[in-house]
Amino acid sequence: GDSVTQMEGPVTLSEEAFLTINCTYTATGYPSLFWYVQYPGEGLQLLLKATKADDKGSNKGFEATYRKETTSFHLEKGSVQVSDSAVYFCALSDRRSQGNLIFGKGTKLSVKP
Amino acid sequence: KAGVTQTPRYLIKTRGQQVTLSCSPISGHRSVSWYQQTPGQGLQFLFEYFSETQRNKGNFPGRFSGRQFSNSRSEMNVSTLELGDSALYLCASSELQGRRNTEAFFGQGTRLTVV
Repeated sequence: GDSVTQMEGPVTLSEEAFLTINCTYTATGYPSLFWYVQYPGEGLQLLLKATKADDKGSNKGFEATYRKETTSFHLEKGSVQVSDSAVYFCALSDRRSQGNLIFGKGTKLSVKP
Repeated sequence: KAGVTQTPRYLIKTRGQQVTLSCSPISGHRSVSWYQQTPGQGLQFLFEYFSETQRNKGNFPGRFSGRQFSNSRSEMNVSTLELGDSALYLCASSELQGRRNTEAFFGQGTRLTVV
């Protein structure tokens, strides 16, 4: 079945460092790909998305490119801030899964001043 | 536009009891999905409702059930609670474009503790 694998955390960075969180997927169809962020005590917020190959999603300085050839959707940010400290989830959905989002395990990011 | 609203935010229940959680989706969204989040298992899909019909179901026992009303509000029920049911329960709403769901918007969740 479909699955998402993302790098294990936690990840600790200094403010203004470069961030990469790796995400790869397995899917039989042509899924849509998402990054969600969860702040402590909160639900999930959609960070960015891409619906087809070579699409780049971007939001709040974060970017991810849908790479079908490597089945990847890595999250990047050039300069992280303390306020980016949160748990990041990579997810996919496809027409077969309908309303079912398939999530990775999540990567906890801590940014130190 | 109001977001997804889940009530209550926190619940403490005793083993063997049952519980009902509520979710009001974003206005105009007809699809509501439920997820269980635990430290060990991560985010797991429970079920999805669209236009009052269950369209999809995850791999959970029959103690977990749900329904959706004509105004798209949804409830999920857990009967005969077990300690392992302690989790954050998240509701997400979305719309359909063709046969594919649009991006899901999540509520803040209901934190259920079973003692």
